[in-house]
Amino acid sequence: AQKITQTQPGMFVQEKEAVTLDCTYDTSDQSYGLFWYKQPSSGEMIFLIYQGSYDEQNATEGRYSLNFQKARKSANLVISASQLGDSAMYFCAMREGGEYGGSQGNLIFGKGTKLSVKP
Amino acid sequence: GAGVSQSPRYKVAKRGQDVALRCDPISGHVSLFWYQQALGQGPEFLTYFQNEAQLDKSGLPSDRFFAERPEGSVSTLKIQRTQQEDSAVYLCASSLALGTGLGEQYFGPGTRLTVT
Repeated sequence: AQKITQTQPGMFVQEKEAVTLDCTYDTSDQSYGLFWYKQPSSGEMIFLIYQGSYDEQNATEGRYSLNFQKARKSANLVISASQLGDSAMYFCAMREGGEYGGSQGNLIFGKGTKLSVKP
Repeated sequence: GAGVSQSPRYKVAKRGQDVALRCDPISGHVSLFWYQQALGQGPEFLTYFQNEAQLDKSGLPSDRFFAERPEGSVSTLKIQRTQQEDSAVYLCASSLALGTGLGEQYFGPGTRLTVT
């Protein structure tokens, strides 16, 4: 069965420092996409970054980067220069059956990591 | 432009009541998804529409749950005879047509349903 595992229920980071949020996944598909979403206390899920299974380079998006290790089936999110506004829940998610919007596209989510940024 | 909107934001229902949750996707988005998020958990897939066609309802937990999108835009998730275990946040998401871009989903703020 497809599965996303986030082993860190909560993380603390000092403002302006970098933090890594862990994510491992399990799938038998060769083609899949990996997503990270941020969920602030307001509840809305905000798309952060995407990595396709065939992408050879790690994805980057501003202060967010994805450390993709395909052989280990891990897709860790790295947030550089943390800001107070980064405090939120972070979810790793996977879509099977196609890297680029070519499949149905429903996402499988992990349980999330609550990140708290300290001033 | 406007994002995905959902209404109501909060709903309290007595056990046994029927509820209807509305989702307005981003204009032009072909795909629409409903997810259920229990407290302290990640969202779980309920159902998927491509335009007005409901192509997957495998995640609906029981036949008390029903979703529709009759004109291919606004969608309604209906829960009949609500039970306490239905208490959760219901998230709606939309995305562009299949084969377009990354297929990332844009989520609404959710409807928090509390069944008493």
